Amino acid sequence: EAQVTQNPRYLITVTGKKLTVTCSQNMNHEYMSWYRQDPGLGLRQIYYSMNVEVTDKGDVPEGYKVSRKEKRNFPLILESPSPNQTSLYFCASRRRPGETQYFGPGTRLLVL
Amino acid sequence: AQKVTQAQTEISVVEKEDVTLDCVYETRDTTYYLFWYKQPPSGELVFLIRRNSFDEQNEISGRYSWNFQKSTSSFNFTITASQVVDSAVYFCALSEVHSGANSKLTFGKGITLSVRP
Repeated sequence: EAQVTQNPRYLITVTGKKLTVTCSQNMNHEYMSWYRQDPGLGLRQIYYSMNVEVTDKGDVPEGYKVSRKEKRNFPLILESPSPNQTSLYFCASRRRPGETQYFGPGTRLLVL
Repeated sequence: AQKVTQAQTEISVVEKEDVTLDCVYETRDTTYYLFWYKQPPSGELVFLIRRNSFDEQNEISGRYSWNFQKSTSSFNFTITASQVVDSAVYFCALSEVHSGANSKLTFGKGITLSVRP
Protein backbone atom coordinates (compact mmCIF):
# COMPACT_ATOMS: atom_id res chain seq x y z
CA GLU A 1 0.00 0.00 0.00
CA ALA A 2 1.35 3.41 -1.01
CA GLN A 3 1.72 5.51 2.09
CA VAL A 4 3.58 8.08 4.12
CA THR A 5 4.27 7.07 7.71
CA GLN A 6 5.24 9.23 10.66
CA ASN A 7 6.40 8.38 14.14
CA PRO A 8 5.57 9.04 16.85
CA ARG A 9 1.93 9.96 16.38
CA TYR A 10 1.75 11.69 19.76
CA LEU A 11 4.54 13.20 21.80
CA ILE A 12 4.70 15.18 25.00
CA THR A 13 8.09 16.62 25.87
CA VAL A 14 9.70 19.41 27.85
CA THR A 15 11.41 22.57 26.71
CA GLY A 16 14.93 21.98 25.47
CA LYS A 17 14.85 18.21 25.12
CA LYS A 18 15.91 17.29 21.59
CA LEU A 19 13.49 15.19 19.60
CA THR A 20 13.13 13.70 16.14
CA VAL A 21 9.97 12.94 14.23
CA THR A 22 10.53 10.35 11.54
CA CYS A 23 8.87 10.31 8.13
CA SER A 24 9.06 7.59 5.52
CA GLN A 25 7.38 7.10 2.13
CA ASN A 26 7.26 3.99 -0.04
CA MET A 27 6.26 5.64 -3.32
CA ASN A 28 9.77 6.50 -4.51
CA HIS A 29 8.84 10.18 -4.50
CA GLU A 30 11.63 12.70 -4.89
CA TYR A 31 9.89 15.62 -3.23
CA MET A 32 9.13 15.66 0.49
CA SER A 33 7.96 18.39 2.84
CA TRP A 34 7.13 19.09 6.44
CA TYR A 35 4.16 21.24 7.42
CA ARG A 36 2.80 22.40 10.73
CA GLN A 37 -0.87 23.04 11.38
CA ASP A 38 -2.02 25.60 13.93
CA PRO A 39 -5.56 26.76 14.72
CA GLY A 40 -6.63 29.64 12.52
CA LEU A 41 -3.44 29.49 10.45
CA GLY A 42 -3.98 26.46 8.26
CA LEU A 43 -0.90 24.50 7.23
CA ARG A 44 2.48 26.14 6.70
CA GLN A 45 5.55 24.60 5.15
CA ILE A 46 8.58 24.19 7.42
CA TYR A 47 11.18 22.55 5.16
CA TYR A 48 11.22 20.68 1.91
CA SER A 49 13.52 18.39 -0.01
CA MET A 50 13.85 17.89 -3.74
CA ASN A 51 16.07 14.83 -3.54
CA VAL A 52 18.68 13.10 -1.44
CA GLU A 53 20.96 15.65 0.24
CA VAL A 54 18.93 18.56 -1.19
CA THR A 55 16.87 20.46 1.35
CA ASP A 56 15.71 24.04 1.78
CA LYS A 57 13.67 26.26 4.06
CA GLY A 58 9.95 26.74 3.76
CA ASP A 59 7.91 29.50 5.35
CA VAL A 60 8.53 28.75 9.03
CA PRO A 61 11.91 27.01 9.41
CA GLU A 62 13.09 28.61 12.66
CA GLY A 63 13.81 26.06 15.36
CA TYR A 64 13.78 23.05 13.02
CA LYS A 65 16.29 20.97 11.11
CA VAL A 66 15.87 18.25 8.52
CA SER A 67 18.02 15.76 6.70
CA ARG A 68 17.58 13.63 3.61
CA LYS A 69 20.17 10.88 3.55
CA GLU A 70 17.91 8.37 1.85
CA LYS A 71 15.17 8.96 -0.68
CA ARG A 72 12.44 7.41 1.44
CA ASN A 73 13.19 9.14 4.76
CA PHE A 74 12.90 12.77 5.78
CA PRO A 75 13.17 13.26 9.56
CA LEU A 76 12.27 16.49 11.32
CA ILE A 77 14.57 17.47 14.16
CA LEU A 78 13.83 19.89 16.98
CA GLU A 79 17.17 20.54 18.65
CA SER A 80 15.74 22.57 21.53
CA PRO A 81 11.94 22.49 21.47
CA SER A 82 9.98 25.43 22.86
CA PRO A 83 6.27 25.72 23.77
CA ASN A 84 5.55 27.69 20.57
CA GLN A 85 6.42 24.54 18.63
CA THR A 86 3.41 22.79 20.09
CA SER A 87 1.51 21.89 16.96
CA LEU A 88 0.25 19.19 14.62
CA TYR A 89 2.97 18.18 12.15
CA PHE A 90 2.52 16.59 8.77
CA CYS A 91 5.03 15.03 6.45
CA ALA A 92 4.15 14.91 2.75
CA SER A 93 5.60 13.56 -0.45
CA ARG A 94 4.95 13.90 -4.15
CA ARG A 95 6.52 12.71 -7.36
CA ARG A 96 7.14 16.07 -9.00
CA PRO A 97 6.07 19.75 -8.71
CA GLY A 98 2.37 20.35 -9.10
CA GLU A 99 1.41 16.75 -8.51
CA THR A 100 -0.72 15.63 -5.60
CA GLN A 101 0.99 15.67 -2.22
CA TYR A 102 0.27 12.69 -0.05
CA PHE A 103 0.32 13.31 3.66
CA GLY A 104 1.31 11.20 6.61
CA PRO A 105 -1.14 10.70 9.49
CA GLY A 106 0.25 13.61 11.51
CA THR A 107 2.21 13.94 14.75
CA ARG A 108 0.69 15.84 17.65
CA LEU A 109 3.46 17.49 19.65
CA LEU A 110 3.05 19.17 23.02
CA VAL A 111 6.06 21.03 24.44
CA LEU A 112 5.73 21.88 28.12
CA ALA B 1 3.10 35.55 -3.88
CA GLN B 2 0.46 32.91 -3.92
CA LYS B 3 -2.47 33.13 -1.52
CA VAL B 4 -5.62 31.16 -0.77
CA THR B 5 -8.60 32.67 1.00
CA GLN B 6 -11.37 30.66 2.57
CA ALA B 7 -13.58 33.40 3.94
CA GLN B 8 -16.02 31.04 5.63
CA THR B 9 -14.58 29.72 8.88
CA GLU B 10 -17.45 27.60 10.17
CA ILE B 11 -20.58 26.29 8.50
CA SER B 12 -23.35 24.32 10.14
CA VAL B 13 -26.06 22.57 8.16
CA VAL B 14 -28.69 19.96 8.72
CA GLU B 15 -28.28 16.59 7.08
CA LYS B 16 -29.45 16.43 3.46
CA GLU B 17 -28.87 20.12 2.88
CA ASP B 18 -26.56 21.19 0.07
CA VAL B 19 -23.55 23.24 1.11
CA THR B 20 -20.94 25.18 -0.85
CA LEU B 21 -17.47 25.87 0.46
CA ASP B 22 -15.81 28.88 -1.12
CA CYS B 23 -12.19 29.22 -2.17
CA VAL B 24 -10.55 32.25 -3.76
CA TYR B 25 -6.92 32.21 -4.80
CA GLU B 26 -4.25 34.63 -5.94
CA THR B 27 -1.33 33.80 -8.17
CA ARG B 28 0.80 35.46 -10.84
CA ASP B 29 1.57 32.20 -12.58
CA THR B 30 -0.37 30.96 -15.57
CA THR B 31 0.38 27.35 -14.68
CA TYR B 32 -0.81 26.20 -11.29
CA TYR B 33 -2.78 23.49 -9.55
CA LEU B 34 -5.66 23.70 -7.12
CA PHE B 35 -6.54 21.12 -4.51
CA TRP B 36 -9.11 20.32 -1.89
CA TYR B 37 -8.30 18.24 1.16
CA LYS B 38 -10.60 16.96 3.89
CA GLN B 39 -9.51 16.65 7.50
CA PRO B 40 -11.97 14.55 9.54
CA PRO B 41 -11.98 14.64 13.34
CA SER B 42 -9.37 11.86 13.37
CA GLY B 43 -6.89 14.40 12.01
CA GLU B 44 -5.50 12.93 8.81
CA LEU B 45 -5.54 14.87 5.54
CA VAL B 46 -7.53 13.21 2.80
CA PHE B 47 -6.96 14.27 -0.79
CA LEU B 48 -10.19 15.07 -2.64
CA ILE B 49 -9.33 16.68 -5.97
CA ARG B 50 -6.55 18.23 -8.04
CA ARG B 51 -7.28 20.59 -10.92
CA ASN B 52 -4.81 22.30 -13.25
CA SER B 53 -5.17 25.89 -14.38
CA PHE B 54 -5.89 24.95 -17.98
CA ASP B 55 -8.86 22.78 -17.21
CA GLU B 56 -11.93 24.80 -16.23
CA GLN B 57 -14.33 21.96 -16.71
CA ASN B 58 -16.44 21.37 -13.62
CA GLU B 59 -16.08 18.01 -11.96
CA ILE B 60 -18.57 15.80 -10.18
CA SER B 61 -17.76 12.82 -8.01
CA GLY B 62 -20.81 11.34 -6.36
CA ARG B 63 -22.21 13.95 -3.99
CA TYR B 64 -19.17 16.18 -4.46
CA SER B 65 -18.77 18.76 -7.19
CA TRP B 66 -16.25 21.45 -7.92
CA ASN B 67 -16.68 24.70 -9.81
CA PHE B 68 -13.46 26.25 -11.15
CA GLN B 69 -13.73 29.78 -12.56
CA LYS B 70 -10.52 31.49 -13.61
CA SER B 71 -12.37 34.75 -14.27
CA THR B 72 -13.11 35.10 -10.56
CA SER B 73 -10.10 33.09 -9.31
CA SER B 74 -12.40 30.74 -7.48
CA PHE B 75 -12.50 27.01 -6.93
CA ASN B 76 -15.65 26.27 -4.97
CA PHE B 77 -16.67 22.91 -3.55
CA THR B 78 -20.28 21.79 -3.21
CA ILE B 79 -21.55 18.85 -1.21
CA THR B 80 -25.02 17.74 -2.25
CA ALA B 81 -27.32 16.09 0.27
CA SER B 82 -24.81 16.42 3.09
CA GLN B 83 -24.32 13.63 5.59
CA VAL B 84 -23.01 13.55 9.13
CA VAL B 85 -19.84 11.85 7.85
CA ASP B 86 -19.08 14.99 5.85
CA SER B 87 -18.36 16.82 9.11
CA ALA B 88 -14.71 17.85 8.85
CA VAL B 89 -12.35 20.70 8.17
CA TYR B 90 -11.92 21.35 4.46
CA PHE B 91 -8.81 22.96 3.04
CA CYS B 92 -8.34 24.53 -0.36
CA ALA B 93 -4.73 24.71 -1.55
CA LEU B 94 -2.72 26.14 -4.43
CA SER B 95 0.55 24.99 -5.98
CA GLU B 96 2.38 27.12 -8.50
CA VAL B 97 4.58 25.11 -10.82
CA HIS B 98 6.94 27.88 -11.85
CA SER B 99 7.89 29.08 -8.40
CA GLY B 100 11.10 27.14 -8.46
CA ALA B 101 11.73 23.65 -7.33
CA ASN B 102 9.68 23.98 -4.17
CA SER B 103 6.25 24.62 -5.74
CA LYS B 104 4.88 24.28 -2.23
CA LEU B 105 1.26 23.89 -1.35
CA THR B 106 -0.21 27.10 0.03
CA PHE B 107 -3.26 26.34 2.12
CA GLY B 108 -6.26 28.38 3.06
CA LYS B 109 -7.12 28.49 6.75
CA GLY B 110 -9.79 25.86 6.39
CA ILE B 111 -13.57 25.69 6.78
CA THR B 112 -15.08 23.68 9.61
CA LEU B 113 -18.23 21.99 8.37
CA SER B 114 -20.66 20.53 10.88
CA VAL B 115 -23.53 18.43 9.59
CA ARG B 116 -26.25 17.88 12.18
CA PRO B 117 -28.58 14.87 12.05
